[in-house]
Order: sequence, then C-alpha cells, then structure tokens
Amino acid sequence: GAVVSQHPSRVICKSGTSVKIECRSLDFQATTMFWYRQFPKKSLMLMATSNEGSKATYEQGVEKDKFLINHASLTLSTLTVTSAHPEDSSFYICSARTMMATRYNEQFFGPGTRLTVL
Amino acid sequence: AQSVTQLDSQVPVFEEAPVELRCNYSSSVSVYLFWYVQYPNQGLQLLLKYLSGSTLVKGINGFEAEFNKSQTSFHLRKPSVHISDTAEYFCAVSDPSAGKSTFGDGTTLTVKP
Repeated sequence: GAVVSQHPSRVICKSGTSVKIECRSLDFQATTMFWYRQFPKKSLMLMATSNEGSKATYEQGVEKDKFLINHASLTLSTLTVTSAHPEDSSFYICSARTMMATRYNEQFFGPGTRLTVL
Repeated sequence: AQSVTQLDSQVPVFEEAPVELRCNYSSSVSVYLFWYVQYPNQGLQLLLKYLSGSTLVKGINGFEAEFNKSQTSFHLRKPSVHISDTAEYFCAVSDPSAGKSTFGDGTTLTVKP
C-alpha cells in the first residue's frame, strides 16, 4: 500500500514551453503533498507544500509564478513548469502524506520525473 | 529551524563488511527522524523511521539506526552489506506539526566485491 506515481517519468521540451507533471496517490488519500527538486549529486530541495483545496505554500526563493502547483483532489497534485528554460532541467520528486493516523508523519515518495529543457 | 548533517559524503566498503552512515541533526523542537535510500534515477524509499519509543529502530534490508538524543545523532548501520546496497542514502528530520522534511546532503554507499 501507500503507492505514489508520477507522470511522466521523463520529459524533454523546448525552451519557452510549459510542462505539467502529475503526482498521484494510488491507494490512499493525501491531504498534503510536497514537491522537491533534486540536482545531480545533491540533496532534495523542498519547493512547496501542496494542500488539497488551498493554495500551495512555497519555500523561500522558489518562484510561484514559474512553478504552478494545483492540488485539486485528495489523490492528485500537479506541478507546471511555465516557460521552461535549460536551468529548470532537474529531477522533480513529489511525496504525499497519508491521512491514516498510524502513518500520518510518513511521506511516500513518487519515482520522480526527469525534466530536460533544450 | 532544523538542519541535517551527513558526515560522510562517500563511504566505500567491501561486500560483507559492516557499515555505519552518520547523521547529526539540529532542531529547536522535537523531531521525527528518517533514513531513505535512492537508487539511480528513482525516487526515495523509506528504510526506517524514529517517531518515539525505543531508540533502536530496525528497518528493511537489514538496516538499523539508533537515536541518540544527547548527541543529536541518528546513525544508520548494517552488519554485513551486499553489492545491491550500493545507493545514495539520505537522512531526514521532520517537524511533527508542519510535516515537511529537511534532508541531509546524502551519503553515497559503494559496496565493492
């Protein structure tokens, strides 16, 4: 149980285009989802916290107009990279927090999305 | 504010040898502690977690970790490693109220035959 999927797993796009990444909790409901960015050989950097039905909370230094986050349901959050540039190329990972009391403080991670902007 | 320091960026070890990956943290509040493993081009998989109770925590794949509050450490150990344990390992702390996690920079474990 507690499986999180991401789609697509890999995407290549041209500079200036927008890319949408989906994060789904497949067998549980998640009131909170987190979006991370990981550079090569680096740790995960939290970009934003996404709560179902409300606006996302962005970490300092993350452009909210560039990285649009929507959490429309208890099983789906999307990250849209708008007007992507080569410096946005990275590995994007989402995680979801379950509503289950026994595992409330555990995050379940998706497999990640490799974004390459040409 | 909270932070995590993984003291070793790379740990090479021979197969069947024991290994310890070190993690220290700082926080103004009580935290939950986690160890994750990441294989190339994949997401993170939870190895083990400490929320409360016994300070010795056992996880998957034969790993265990000990929470030491006085030393603010949460070191990961395995008595005998396999080639398949070669991966990136991340220590993380979580604020129980906010839920979001802060990760260390990772330790690359390389198991050699």
